[in-house]
Amino acid sequence: AQTVTQSQPEMSVQEAETVTLSCTYDTSESDYYLFWYKQPPSRQMILVIRQEAYKQQNATENRFSVNFQKAAKSFSLKISDSQLGDAAMYFCAYSRLGNTGTASKLTFGTGTRLQVTL
Amino acid sequence: DVKVTQSSRYLVKRTGEKVFLECVQDMDHENMFWYRQDPGLGLRLIYFSYDVKMKEKGDIPEGYSVSREKKERFSLILESASTNQTSMYLCASSTPPEGGFNEQFFGPGTRLTVL
Repeated sequence: AQTVTQSQPEMSVQEAETVTLSCTYDTSESDYYLFWYKQPPSRQMILVIRQEAYKQQNATENRFSVNFQKAAKSFSLKISDSQLGDAAMYFCAYSRLGNTGTASKLTFGTGTRLQVTL
Repeated sequence: DVKVTQSSRYLVKRTGEKVFLECVQDMDHENMFWYRQDPGLGLRLIYFSYDVKMKEKGDIPEGYSVSREKKERFSLILESASTNQTSMYLCASSTPPEGGFNEQFFGPGTRLTVL
């Protein structure tokens, strides 16, 4: 079974600084997807960024980027120029490639609560 | 924009009551999911459905059942609520994986308290 581990329950960053959230996972699959989801306080969970395992290039979305190390099974999220609106719970998630007729289930980590200070 | 709605943001029930949590999505998605979210445990999959009237157990199905009579609606049922089912319940939907990736879209969550 796949597992996702986030070893940092809480992190703090000053506004405009950079922070990195860690995630490791375990799988025997060679093709899969990895995701970072953001859950702001009292708001809906949204996708921040995704990475396809077959792509060596790290995904980037504006101020968000990942460091994907397939051999080490590591998938960290870097937030640059942190803003107050980045304060949220961040979840790392894994999905194997789905088969026709079945859903791609997500396996989530336990989350990292990010605090952004002035 | 995809919209996933859940019938209640907050719900308080008594032990032994039958509880229905409703989820509706408006994007004609094939797949729908029910998770529960607990501090320190992340999100855990209860049940999911990849088609109308089709359902599969997730990682923690005990004490729950689901119903999907229409494509847009996925209901989670607690047959006899217990205090250990006090939690945040999240519904999600997604398109089927054609070529692999399918993003899940989440509802706002229902915070259920069982007294």
